[in-house]
Amino acid sequence: DIQMTQSPSTLSASVGDRVTIACRASQSINSWLAWYQQKPGKAPKLLIYKASSLESGVPSRFSGSGSGTEFTLTISSLQPDDFATYYCQQYNSYSLLSFGGGTKVEVK
Amino acid sequence: EVQLVQPGAEVKKPGESLTFSCKGSGYSFTNYWIGWVRQMPGKGLEWVGMLYLGDSDTSDIRYSPSFQGQVTISADKSINTAYLHWSSLKASDTAIYYCARLPAGDDGGYFDWWGQGTLVTVSS
Repeated sequence: DIQMTQSPSTLSASVGDRVTIACRASQSINSWLAWYQQKPGKAPKLLIYKASSLESGVPSRFSGSGSGTEFTLTISSLQPDDFATYYCQQYNSYSLLSFGGGTKVEVK
Repeated sequence: EVQLVQPGAEVKKPGESLTFSCKGSGYSFTNYWIGWVRQMPGKGLEWVGMLYLGDSDTSDIRYSPSFQGQVTISADKSINTAYLHWSSLKASDTAIYYCARLPAGDDGGYFDWWGQGTLVTVSS
């Protein structure tokens, strides 16, 4: 199984901050990585797929980068609507999908 | 508009069986995978399994090793509906279960549209 490790698990930030969340895979997954945002009581929402492709309708302040085993989600200027939990997910193999443990972005 | 509609909640006792549905609309149901994701109370997301119908009479079903033998995934393409089934529930099955759509093909594997989730509570 491919293990996905996110860091940090919690991040305290202010509106306007540049925020970076890391995701590491236990083996190479090429660029087969997605990022999701989840707010309390809501279903997750796709932000980024194939490591750096922005899903339609997602604000351009969100960006993804990386390949192989190291990936990053960046929010260029944190907005009030962005306080949420973020998850990475690998899809290197259709038979064994897996998520990272999540990063909660909270108000500083 | 794409929609995946699930029941809001199910309450069951340990040992009981449960099947609930995920009905897709607004897109070609057989041209996408439908996946299931578990979220235990206060915890992260876990992939349960997924199903692809396609145009043939057979379906491709894949399970996470953690859920293999614990649940059964099926679908009825005539009514654009996927199902998640337990034959004997345990208290530890208490969680929110989301269905979600995955694009097919070599570039797929991510969840691009989600249902609102079904809260399953298993308690005596």
